[in-house]
Amino acid sequence: GAVVSQHPSRVICKSGTSVKIECRSLDFQATTMFWYRQFPKQSLMLMATSNEGSKATYEQGVEKDKFLINHASLTLSTLTVTSAHPEDSSFYICSANRPPGELFFGEGSRLTVL
Amino acid sequence: GQQLNQSPQSMFIQEGEDVSMNCTSSSIFNTWLWYKQDPGEGPVLLIALYKAGELTSNGRLTAQFGITRKDSFLNISASIPSDVGIYFCAGRSGNTPLVFGKGTRLSVIA
Repeated sequence: GAVVSQHPSRVICKSGTSVKIECRSLDFQATTMFWYRQFPKQSLMLMATSNEGSKATYEQGVEKDKFLINHASLTLSTLTVTSAHPEDSSFYICSANRPPGELFFGEGSRLTVL
Repeated sequence: GQQLNQSPQSMFIQEGEDVSMNCTSSSIFNTWLWYKQDPGEGPVLLIALYKAGELTSNGRLTAQFGITRKDSFLNISASIPSDVGIYFCAGRSGNTPLVFGKGTRLSVIA
């Protein structure tokens, strides 16, 4: 069964609104979670590393004010796409490390901004 | 960001054939992971490798961690239609974020 759950799986929103995506580790505690973005027919692009109890670490070129990450507990990280625009439409995937080093992914969230 | 060199980019095979794909890196890794991704879903972990030379099987899938620690391969034996999908390798050194290959798109012809 799934060890990392992501919600919602699909979301459609109007331009200018904010969207929150949740990522939960189901049977283990994850001090670190990762957020990826994937364009059609391409590999996963790491956006940021979410650290429990501290600020997220963003990859170069990723706007931290645009993509707000909160890791408030050892089993939950959230990604909020603020003031979404059509170019933010994408497939967003979270992941979490389960010791000793297996990285499990959520089911993914497809965001469509109209 | 950094990418692994994964090949082939795509494959078309007949049902029942064996499949082999591999990844190489310019860096030494201490972890290699292989994933399969179906359309519209997140990647699913197939095999995890942690030691150079390690050979691990998961059903019809076999993966090896190269001796040089810079490469890994994944074999699928006796392919079936549900093997269709995109296979990604991923590697990591220490606690650095995973680096992903660009994927191998597998098509199985019945």
